[in-house]
Amino acid sequence: KAGVTQTPRYLIKTRGQQVTLSCSPISGHRSVSWYQQTPGQGLQFLFEYFSETQRNKGNFPGRFSGRQFSNSRSEMNVSTLELGDSALYLCASSLSQVITDTQYFGPGTRLTVL
Amino acid sequence: GESVGLHLPTLSVQEGDNSIINCAYSNSASDYFIWYKQESGKGPQFIIDIRSNMDKRQGQRVTVLLNKTVKHLSLQIAATQPGDSAVYFCAENLAGSNYKLTFGKGTLLTVNP
Repeated sequence: KAGVTQTPRYLIKTRGQQVTLSCSPISGHRSVSWYQQTPGQGLQFLFEYFSETQRNKGNFPGRFSGRQFSNSRSEMNVSTLELGDSALYLCASSLSQVITDTQYFGPGTRLTVL
Repeated sequence: GESVGLHLPTLSVQEGDNSIINCAYSNSASDYFIWYKQESGKGPQFIIDIRSNMDKRQGQRVTVLLNKTVKHLSLQIAATQPGDSAVYFCAENLAGSNYKLTFGKGTLLTVNP
């Protein structure tokens, strides 16, 4: 079974631009979560979607948004990019909305903001 | 700050030795804990989990211990191998937080041949 895929793997943007990252979960998985990973703050939860509904959101500004499609694929968008948004953005999928369902992570998208 | 933290940022062991990675958490309402392994250039990989109604759980070469009295979590890796070299994260879920994991900052484990 194919794992979680994220595209693109690398992105370079400049301040003020916006970016859209994509995540394809493991086939059959309906829950998708997004995390931001930086050396200083570590892994921080962004949001989680299940059946196209955002069920939980982390402490990030409104510039960070996301959505999930009917096929469970998810996208996250960051508008008005800031230097501090440079990070590895990880997507994780799980079978259902039960917390004990194992979350499988993708390889991440490395975003660099110049 | 984060409610999950680590005692040591780095740990270096000899191949074949046992490794112990520690994690402290501050929220007594957390009910589910997970250990992840992250190798360079990859996303975190699930290792083992434990619920708050348990003290110990064993997997293949790994054991997680949970001490709720002192809010401490540890990951023991038996017969550590070079392939175990990675960053290890503990994560917790606050009861009722509905799928919102809080991760610690990670411990870098280096296994020397």
